[in-house]
Amino acid sequence: VIGMTQSPSFLSASTGDRVTISCRMSQNIRSYLAWYQQKPGKAPELLMYSASTLQSGVPSRFSGSGSGTDFTLTISYLQSEDFATYYCLQYYSFPFSFGQGTKLEIK
Amino acid sequence: QVQLVESGGGVVQPGRSLGLSCTASGFSFSTYDMHWVRQSPGMGLEWVAVLSSDGVSTYYADSVKGRFTISRDYSKTTLFLQMNGLRPEDTAVYFCARSTGGNLGPYPFDSWGQGTLVTVPS
Repeated sequence: VIGMTQSPSFLSASTGDRVTISCRMSQNIRSYLAWYQQKPGKAPELLMYSASTLQSGVPSRFSGSGSGTDFTLTISYLQSEDFATYYCLQYYSFPFSFGQGTKLEIK
Repeated sequence: QVQLVESGGGVVQPGRSLGLSCTASGFSFSTYDMHWVRQSPGMGLEWVAVLSSDGVSTYYADSVKGRFTISRDYSKTTLFLQMNGLRPEDTAVYFCARSTGGNLGPYPFDSWGQGTLVTVPS
């Protein structure tokens, strides 16, 4: 089982800010990492896959980087609709696993 | 467009069984691996199970192995999750999710249903 540490758990920021969320794996997963955004009462939505490939329709202010064990999601200019919870997912091997989540709140 | 609609959730007593369904439309059901993911109230996401596109291979989270069974009906384009021996810690919203590929390759999920709530009181 691949262990994951997502940080921070909570993040307080203002519109226009740049924020970064991290996921660290317990072993090398190459680039098999995805990022999801979830809003209350809704299903998660895919933002990024293969660590740095933007899903179709996702704004370019979202970017991802990393490979191996360390990954980051960056939102370059926060908009009001970006305040949500974000999860990383490793899909390198079964059982798949999610990070613990980062709740991005308005400061 | 891809659509996934879960059903079958409800309140069930500990130790009893419940079956969930996920009806798929808008894509070739036999091409994609299909997953179940759950989310306990106020908590994070937990991957539960996967069934390969050809219906042959499965994987389960340790927390449900031996109690839950994932299956699919191609004629009805429906994914199932049979849950036996339910426990209070199984209380969650259960989502079905479509992989972006098949044959249990390394693919994330790109489409999710709206979820169905299963409650197992303590």
